[in-house]
Amino acid sequence: GAVVSQHPSRVICKSGTSVKIECRSLDFQATTMFWYRQFPKKSLMLMATSNEGSKATYEQGVEKDKFLINHASLTLSTLTVTSAHPEDSSFYICSARDPTSGRPGEQYFGPGTRLTVT
Amino acid sequence: AQKITQTQPGMFVQEKEAVTLDCTYDTSDQSYGLFWYKQPSSGEMIFLIYQGSYDEQNATEGRYSLNFQKARKSANLVISASQLGDSAMYFCAMRGSNYQLIWGAGTKLIIKP
Repeated sequence: GAVVSQHPSRVICKSGTSVKIECRSLDFQATTMFWYRQFPKKSLMLMATSNEGSKATYEQGVEKDKFLINHASLTLSTLTVTSAHPEDSSFYICSARDPTSGRPGEQYFGPGTRLTVT
Repeated sequence: AQKITQTQPGMFVQEKEAVTLDCTYDTSDQSYGLFWYKQPSSGEMIFLIYQGSYDEQNATEGRYSLNFQKARKSANLVISASQLGDSAMYFCAMRGSNYQLIWGAGTKLIIKP
């Protein structure tokens, strides 16, 4: 099956610094990638939809200047949390859509990144 | 508006018993897709099963089956012969516009030995 990698898996950073998370589709070309945030014991909250070569579409309430998303190629999207604060601590998950999938809308997920801001 | 409802926050089931996780959905679209994902404590999202709105048969994948009742707008996941490794969060999701997924709140399933 399709594989999506995500790095790093865990990161601890100091308040005020920036953190970049990478999401790669390893064996397919992902025209669309998604970034989610998940709070403990809660469902996935979509932050933004990223299409290769165009600006990301952010969900209402998500600060686009804080959560910078770049989708520079068909296999790579990055999420940069700028000037991180403790309230940004969370589990971030990326996913990618394979347009050739026989299950329309199926998303393949990365393993997630646990961000802790101290 | 499209919506997914999972009404069971948590369930305890004895090992080897079958378990049904409930999911109801709301959409005005004629064409849609429904997914179930499993999320163990490690955090990875694992695809379990998919049902398309035009599929005539209920989907099955090994020990997983989907009880699709279109008129009732329900898409319950059935796990047969539960195992300790089935303990996890389970999410029902529906394909929305722009190929986004609309997510339910999830059900935490705990299998007791």
